[in-house]
Amino acid sequence: LAKTTQPISMDSYEGQEVNITCSHNNIATNDYITWYQQFPSQGPRFIIQGYKTKVTNEVASLFIPADRKSSTLSLPRVSLSDTAVYYCLVGGTNDYKLSFGAGTTVTVRA
Amino acid sequence: GAVVSQHPSWVICKSGTSVKIECRSLDFQATTMFWYRQFPKQSLMLMATSNEGSKATYEQGVEKDKFLINHASLTLSTLTVTSAHPEDSSFYICSARAPGQTAAKFFGPGTRLTVL
Repeated sequence: LAKTTQPISMDSYEGQEVNITCSHNNIATNDYITWYQQFPSQGPRFIIQGYKTKVTNEVASLFIPADRKSSTLSLPRVSLSDTAVYYCLVGGTNDYKLSFGAGTTVTVRA
Repeated sequence: GAVVSQHPSWVICKSGTSVKIECRSLDFQATTMFWYRQFPKQSLMLMATSNEGSKATYEQGVEKDKFLINHASLTLSTLTVTSAHPEDSSFYICSARAPGQTAAKFFGPGTRLTVL
C-alpha cells in the first residue's frame, strides 16, 4: 500500500478556504486517492475520491497533478463544524483495503 | 448514500469475557468488510479483511484466535473479541465495500469497547 504524508495539523478561521496537501510518491497506476473526515468517537466519513486532475463535489474539491505523487483537498469557506481529522488514503483497486496514516487535524476558529 | 451500522455502539465488559460486535450494510450487499481498531489520539489500524463466505485475512500482528471474524452473509460481519482484557479496550470500526466500488468508502459509526 502506498504510504501517505500529510501535515499533522492546520489552523484556520471561519469562512476561509483550507487546503491540505498529501504526498504519495509511490502511488501505483491503479490506485485511487480518497479523503475522509473523522470526528471524535465517530467512524470516518467519505469526502471525495479521485484518480487524476480535478474532482469536485458539494463539500470539497480534490486536485491531483499529472504525476499523481501528491493531492490537495480543498475545503471552501470552512465553518466551526469542519474541525476534524482529515485522512488521505491511497490504494484500493487490488485488494480494496485502505490503510490510514496519521491524518491532519484541522482546527477552525471563530 | 450507503449506510453501515454497528451494534452495539458501546459495551463494557469484565476481563475474561467475550464480546461480539456486529457490522451491517443496510442498503447494499457488501462483498468485503474491513475491521479497524483505533486507540485514543491515534489513527485507525486495519485489523482484518473479511470476504463473504470465506475466512478472514488478518493483518500482521493481529491474533486471529483472539479476534474472531465471521462474514456469513452479504450484509453482516461480526467481530468477536475473545477473553477480552483491558488492553483490548478501544474503538472498533468496520467498513464495507459494495461490488463495483474501487475501495470501501463507507464506515460504521464505531463501537467503544471498555474492558474492566
